[in-house]
Amino acid sequence: EAQVTQNPRYLITVTGKKLTVTCSQNMNHEYMSWYRQDPGLGLRQIYYSMNVEVTDKGDVPEGYKVSRKEKRNFPLILESPSPNQTSLYFCASWEGGSGYTFGSGTRLTVV
Amino acid sequence: GQQLNQSPQSMFIQEGEDVSMNCTSSSIFNTWLWYKQDPGEGPVLLIALYKAGELTSNGRLTAQFGITRKDSFLNISASIPSDVGIYFCAGHVSNFGNEKLTFGTGTRLTIIP
Repeated sequence: EAQVTQNPRYLITVTGKKLTVTCSQNMNHEYMSWYRQDPGLGLRQIYYSMNVEVTDKGDVPEGYKVSRKEKRNFPLILESPSPNQTSLYFCASWEGGSGYTFGSGTRLTVV
Repeated sequence: GQQLNQSPQSMFIQEGEDVSMNCTSSSIFNTWLWYKQDPGEGPVLLIALYKAGELTSNGRLTAQFGITRKDSFLNISASIPSDVGIYFCAGHVSNFGNEKLTFGTGTRLTIIP
């Protein structure tokens, strides 16, 4: 089954403790992206990657890092999480004209 | 970053009623997409629109890509309980390799028993 898999689904952490949210896709897509979803703001792009070793900032990149060492994986890294990064995060890969396939989301709470 | 104006923010309807929601933008998009998000899940694509003026149906769903490329609407006919969720419009632009979607703020659909 074609899918995007994120882990963990839920995460509660403390301010300043580094964390990584993993994302993996099995569709051999070149393009992947991370979005965050906040009430009243819809989904906003954090980072994207056009291919292995090619990444760039989206609209809200501050406080985040990404890496793309292999095509299937695109982890999101928070080096020093802060409470304003409490959000629902989605990883997605691009299917061309059919749009994105989204993962099931990671709900992050930073206390 | 840019966002789309989506309305209404929420709708409370009875089963069997028709639903209409729309999105407007100050910018032109090459493609309009409509997604549905169920609780605890990621958005799932409902309809994709590729040409200005295009009218596309998917079962009880009908969507149109505005002639100016700056707006789109989604209609749902004869709503059923599984239609409950949040609906997002999204405009797509391919910009120097960034396949970016700009999302609306969502329309939350609730069906009243």
